[in-house]
Amino acid sequence: AQSVAQPEDQVNVAEGNPLTVKCTYSVSGNPYLFWYVQYPNRGLQFLLKYITGDNLVKGSYGFEAEFNKSQTSFHLKKPSALVSDSALYFCAVRDTEGGKLIFGQGTELSVKP
Amino acid sequence: DAMVIQNPRYQVTQFGKPVTLSCSQTLNHNVMYWYQQKSSQAPKLLFHYYDKDFNNEADTPDNFQSRRPNTSFCFLDIRSPGLGDAAMYLCATSAMTGGGEKLFFGSGTQLSVL
Repeated sequence: AQSVAQPEDQVNVAEGNPLTVKCTYSVSGNPYLFWYVQYPNRGLQFLLKYITGDNLVKGSYGFEAEFNKSQTSFHLKKPSALVSDSALYFCAVRDTEGGKLIFGQGTELSVKP
Repeated sequence: DAMVIQNPRYQVTQFGKPVTLSCSQTLNHNVMYWYQQKSSQAPKLLFHYYDKDFNNEADTPDNFQSRRPNTSFCFLDIRSPGLGDAAMYLCATSAMTGGGEKLFFGSGTQLSVL
């Protein structure tokens, strides 16, 4: 069965510092991987995805993620964090059998001035 | 702007009183999903429609039903809400299912059960 894990419930970063939000996955076959962000009391917004091709994927708001097949990871990164990046981040993998999106448990990112 | 719209934004109902949440989309997407999200946890898929084909998740309680009268609208009916059904309900759409397409989410309906 496909699954994703986000090992950190919370990540704290100072504004201007680089940030990383971790995600590991377990799939059979080639993974379709996604990152979504959720601001308080809002729905999820798509940030980026990896389907195939270049392992470094660039997305919205200056975020990027690196697909690492050997480590089965898809960590979200940003070179310089903003206070406005504070939100809940979800990693997700597409279930290759049923087609549904399977979400990780989420990581709360807090960026302090 | 094309979008996914959920109404109402906040819904309060009484224990056992049926409630309906609505979702509309202007994206003309084939697939519409309903997710339940509790206390900043991972969204949990309840069911989805591929066009008019209804797909229920195995662990979705019978208390939850859905209707999709046309491409644009989809409804979530909770027949007898319990206290455990208090949650954020998210509607989402995608152009198709099973591939690399992204989901577009509405802002959600926060359901409270008194």
